[in-house]
Amino acid sequence: NAGVMQNPRHLVRRRGQEARLRCSPMKGHSHVYWYRQLPEEGLKFMVYLQKENIIDESGMPKERFSAEFPKEGPSILRIQQVVRGDSAAYFCASSPGPSGTGLYGYTFGSGTRLTVV
Amino acid sequence: AQRVTQPEKLLSVFKGAPVELKCNYSYSGSPELFWYVQYSRQRLQLLLRHISRESIKGFTADLNKGETSFHLKKPFAQEEDSAMYYCALSIGSGNTGKLIFGQGTTLQVKP
Repeated sequence: NAGVMQNPRHLVRRRGQEARLRCSPMKGHSHVYWYRQLPEEGLKFMVYLQKENIIDESGMPKERFSAEFPKEGPSILRIQQVVRGDSAAYFCASSPGPSGTGLYGYTFGSGTRLTVV
Repeated sequence: AQRVTQPEKLLSVFKGAPVELKCNYSYSGSPELFWYVQYSRQRLQLLLRHISRESIKGFTADLNKGETSFHLKKPFAQEEDSAMYYCALSIGSGNTGKLIFGQGTTLQVKP
């Protein structure tokens, strides 16, 4: 089991371009979470998805950000018209079930470091 | 508002010394708390969770609801414990699994 795979590891985009970050959960995991870590800050929740459903997107910025987890393929975090403030590390985590009970816990990916120039 | 506070950005100790990484939380519900660790060039991984009352790699953490704390402790630090440590609080109705993270504490264990 390769664990949670995120790609690319590093992504450089010019202001105004689009960024697509991919996350393949662990085999058998149907719950995906995206977190963002700005410089000098802790991880901040963005969105929680199950296959074909967005369960909780309360941490997503209202504009330019979207996420999906299709029936087939990886989960995608999409940032349109990137700005310098989007530069951060974006982490994906997966779990076999909702982790609020603590029974499952998350498995994190290595993250994608987005730099906007 | 829900919040997790790790007051120390950096904690530096000598090998063999006791370690306590502080974590305080603010949450009106029944808290579920975790410690995650990130070793150099590795991904974030779960260290322990309060409901398990377990000891992992010599680390323990006790939930103190009166003081709203979940400090991580180890009696004798080892050099391999050097890493970034994050305290996290699970919130969300229906157990959606959303975590609130503290800002993290870098533990540096000197030889």
